[in-house]
Amino acid sequence: EADIYQTPRYLVIGTGKKITLECSQTMGHDKMYWYQQDPGMELHLIHYSYGVNSTEKGDLSSESTVSRIRTEHFPLTLESARPSHTSQYLCASARLRGSTDTQYFGPGTRLTVL
Amino acid sequence: AQTVTQSQPEMSVQEAETVTLSCTYDTSESDYYLFWYKQPPSRQMILVIRQEAYKQQNATENRFSVNFQKAAKSFSLKISDSQLGDAAMYFCAYWDGNKLVFGAGTILRVKS
Repeated sequence: EADIYQTPRYLVIGTGKKITLECSQTMGHDKMYWYQQDPGMELHLIHYSYGVNSTEKGDLSSESTVSRIRTEHFPLTLESARPSHTSQYLCASARLRGSTDTQYFGPGTRLTVL
Repeated sequence: AQTVTQSQPEMSVQEAETVTLSCTYDTSESDYYLFWYKQPPSRQMILVIRQEAYKQQNATENRFSVNFQKAAKSFSLKISDSQLGDAAMYFCAYWDGNKLVFGAGTILRVKS
């Protein structure tokens, strides 16, 4: 199992609340990613980072924001949660060097916004 | 833009038998990487197997092997001697140099 962690694993929250989903990895990986996945559906990349102070938007437009102040930490924030944000959020990481770029995934956070 | 297509939303296999999951992709690149990931129900996504496009030899990992047809842009996954623990959603993915592009996934059910 890869050393990548996400908290909380499950979150039920009301509309309008600010939430932060945590992701951390202990592998020293430079690349980190956030995906959004509805149950039984494909993954959509929403954010990624190639290192400290680097963040990029992914293919799927998202109202969330991310930050990368430390190599091991890549939190995702929703300033005002809405029911449309209900989904599973997966964090992943990979080495920067090397061409294989195998991504290691965290266990996910299942978010429900009421 | 690169795309990855998994045409089988769902597959079933009897325990101990063999199943093949299909994947096709579209790219104009000559050198790239392809992956199969497994996502068990409510569990972490894990890498099953990886193929480098410049290698003609098909990748193999124990009971998992691929049939990589570069000209046809096909990358199927064969699972031999299927086990109950193989039941999961399987995603085919293409590395485009910046990120992974995933297919829609195939749900694999294993019958005992």
